[in-house]
Amino acid sequence: GAVVSQHPSRVICKSGTSVKIECRSLDFQATTMFWYRQFPKQSLMLMATSNEGSKATYEQGVEKDKFLINHASLTLSTLTVTSAHPEDSSFYICSARDSILAGRATDTQYFGPGTRLTVL
Amino acid sequence: QKEVEQDPGPLSVPEGAIVSLNCTYSNSAFQYFMWYRQYSRKGPELLMYTYSSGNKEDGRFTAQVDKSSKYISLFIRDSQPSDSATYLCAMSEGYWNTGNQFYFGTGTSLTVIP
Repeated sequence: GAVVSQHPSRVICKSGTSVKIECRSLDFQATTMFWYRQFPKQSLMLMATSNEGSKATYEQGVEKDKFLINHASLTLSTLTVTSAHPEDSSFYICSARDSILAGRATDTQYFGPGTRLTVL
Repeated sequence: QKEVEQDPGPLSVPEGAIVSLNCTYSNSAFQYFMWYRQYSRKGPELLMYTYSSGNKEDGRFTAQVDKSSKYISLFIRDSQPSDSATYLCAMSEGYWNTGNQFYFGTGTSLTVIP
């Protein structure tokens, strides 16, 4: 079955540094990946839609220059939190849309396990 | 074997019907069980969460956890067209603010027909 991995699973960094989070689709091609942010006991907020080979589409209120998204291949999207601050501490989750699975078109979304970011 | 299995559907029911959505899992260490609702082009919205086994009710929604069978369910009573969405289950070994990873099902697409 389709699996999405995230790396690292947790990261602690100092304020002002940049952190890169990877999202990989392990056994399928994902032309579209989504990045979410979750606060404790709250829903997942869609941050941006990442399309392979093109610029990401950011949701309203999400700073493009702070949350850099790169989708360089059909199996990898990265989210870089630049100049991280304590308020960026959160749980970041990606999902990947499986465009074609076993020769059939499907719109199923597969979620990664999440990355816990703590900014000191 | 995947950690969490969920039938993707699609599921189509008439308005007023009782809907049953289910997930199975393989990791006996899971303690927190969540149900999310996702509308098109939106982030998943947390509907309910349950700790360990048992039932939890919130309005028309009831979540059940059977840890012995590694099986969880979400029931929607008196379903409404506005309930039409994708429903995702998710599980974790620990509380979400302690850095534990989440394991999501693939989601079940539900359509409630007026």
